[in-house]
Amino acid sequence: SQTIHQWPATLVQPVGSPLSLECTVEGTSNPNLYWYRQAAGRGLQLLFYSVGIGQISSEVPQNLSASRPQDRQFILSSKKLLLSDSGFYLCAWRGAVNTEAFFGQGTRLTVV
Amino acid sequence: QKEVEQDPGPLSVPEGAIVSLNCTYSNSAFQYFMWYRQYSRKGPELLMYTYSSGNKEDGRFTAQVDKSSKYISLFIRDSQPSDSATYLCAMTVGVLGVQGAQKLVFGQGTRLTINP
Repeated sequence: SQTIHQWPATLVQPVGSPLSLECTVEGTSNPNLYWYRQAAGRGLQLLFYSVGIGQISSEVPQNLSASRPQDRQFILSSKKLLLSDSGFYLCAWRGAVNTEAFFGQGTRLTVV
Repeated sequence: QKEVEQDPGPLSVPEGAIVSLNCTYSNSAFQYFMWYRQYSRKGPELLMYTYSSGNKEDGRFTAQVDKSSKYISLFIRDSQPSDSATYLCAMTVGVLGVQGAQKLVFGQGTRLTINP
């Protein structure tokens, strides 16, 4: 069966520090991968999605970047965090065309 | 105008009531429709998934899609306190020029409380 791992679960980082959040998927090949951010009490904002290794599409201009160094690995990064980067970050995957999407358990990031 | 509109609530109902959650959308290219349940501080959990107009039932949950009206609903029968959560609708649309790619667009989420 397929599983998705996302870590860490919580993170407190100072302003100006770098960020690296990792997401890995098991049990599937060539998934579509997604990074979302959810502000408190808000819906999910799509940040990045990827259809393959090295293929990243960005939805909104921001202080973050994403990379996909391996088929089932998706990384969210920042060189210098801002206070506004605080939020709940969620990774998701979906398989071949016409399948539903599944989420990891999220990383709660607080920038102080 | 947002592509997907969902009443954020909060919605509070007594245990045993029938709950109706709704989303409207503007993009006729949306192909697949999902409902997720999200408990506090957790990732969203897939509840229902459908791609055609009509009803799909799974236990106490019924998902309804009306593509002509661009309207989807989730009904919860015999609601339980454990159903208290935020419910998110989501829809997929293909990405032009990228074979196999689908974007997932979410509604804002409706916070539901079932009172014992």
